[in-house]
Parts: sequence; C-alpha cells; structure tokens
Amino acid sequence: EAQVTQNPRYLITVTGKKLTVTCSQNMNHEYMSWYRQDPGLGLRQIYYSMNVEVTDKGDVPEGYKVSRKEKRNFPLILESPSPNQTSLYFCASSLWGHYEQYFGPGTRLTVT
Amino acid sequence: DAKTTQPPSMDCAEGRAANLPCNHSTISGNEYVYWYRQIHSQGPQYIIHGLKNNETNEMASLIITEDRKSSTLILPHATLRDTAVYYCISSGNTPLVFGKGTRLSVIA
Repeated sequence: EAQVTQNPRYLITVTGKKLTVTCSQNMNHEYMSWYRQDPGLGLRQIYYSMNVEVTDKGDVPEGYKVSRKEKRNFPLILESPSPNQTSLYFCASSLWGHYEQYFGPGTRLTVT
Repeated sequence: DAKTTQPPSMDCAEGRAANLPCNHSTISGNEYVYWYRQIHSQGPQYIIHGLKNNETNEMASLIITEDRKSSTLILPHATLRDTAVYYCISSGNTPLVFGKGTRLSVIA
C-alpha cells in the first residue's frame, strides 16, 4: 500500500531534549516536505527536499533540521525543542511537480 | 502568504452539491490550481488539480473560469464524510502554500 509513515504519532517531551521525528515513504517520490499546523495559522512549511542530499528552507525553518540521505526517509530533528514548537507535524511526499502530495498521519508534539 | 482567497466557512445539506469558490486573481500562466482537503486533524488529502480546462475525477469536479482568476470545486452529492477544511492552492514549480481554507460542514 502506498503510504507515508511518521513516528512517533504522539510525543510529550521537555525543553531542550533533542528529538527526531521520522518520516518514510514507499512510493519512490523525489519530493518530501515537513509542515507544522497550529490553530489559526494553518499549515506552514518547515523544510522541503527535492531529492537525496537536496534540502531547502520553507517558511518556518528556525529551530529545525532535516536530512535526506536516502530517497525514502526525511527525518525532522529538533536539536533543542522549546514550548513554541508544540504543534501538529505532517510529512508529505510526491513525485517532482507535486501535483498530488501524499501526507502522513501526523505527529502531535508537546514540549513542556 | 497564500495567493488564493476562500470563504472561511460554508454549509451544505447532505445529498446536495457543494460548490466551494476560490479566488486566485494573481495566478500566472504556468501555475496550476490544486484542491486538498483535511478531515479533522488527519493529513491533508489531494482532491484534484487543473490548469485551464475543467477537470473531473471520482471525487469532484473543478471549474476554472476562462480568465483563470477564480475556480469552483464541486462535490456533486455531499455526504457527512465530506465535512472538512478545503484548501485551494495556486502553484507552479514552487512548494505548495496552504492558506486557511474553507471549513465545509455537511448537515444531515
């Protein structure tokens, strides 16, 4: 089944404790991206990647890192999480041209 | 900022057609119109896209005006499961920018 998976789905952590949210897709898509969603602000793009070893900042990249060492994986790294990074995070992938992006189920992160 | 304008909310009776408008008056010639929806807090789901011709698939129809400055997404027979936030996006080769969308409530 074609899908984008994210882990963990729910995470509660404390300020400053490094964490990684994994994202994996099984569709051989070149394009992958991370979004965060906050009430009243909609979906905002954090980082995106057009292919292996090619990443670029989205609208809200501060406090996040990403890597794209393999085509199928695009982890989101929070080196020192802060409470303002409490949010719902979505990973997405598509073939280049992104007519149809496939989204993961979301990761709800709470930073206390 | 999103380059499209949508009403914040709409209601539709179950079984009737839901017509969701979108204004994209600054769309350029190589930009497509995309529609996605998000049910509660699930990941957004692609619905349909078009450039200048009207498009139809198993989920919906997309009507784009001749001047391409606006479009309408049509769900022909809305069901309760179509209750969601619907996003209209115009984009060429740049990453998609989601606005606040239209919250469609389908009422029994």
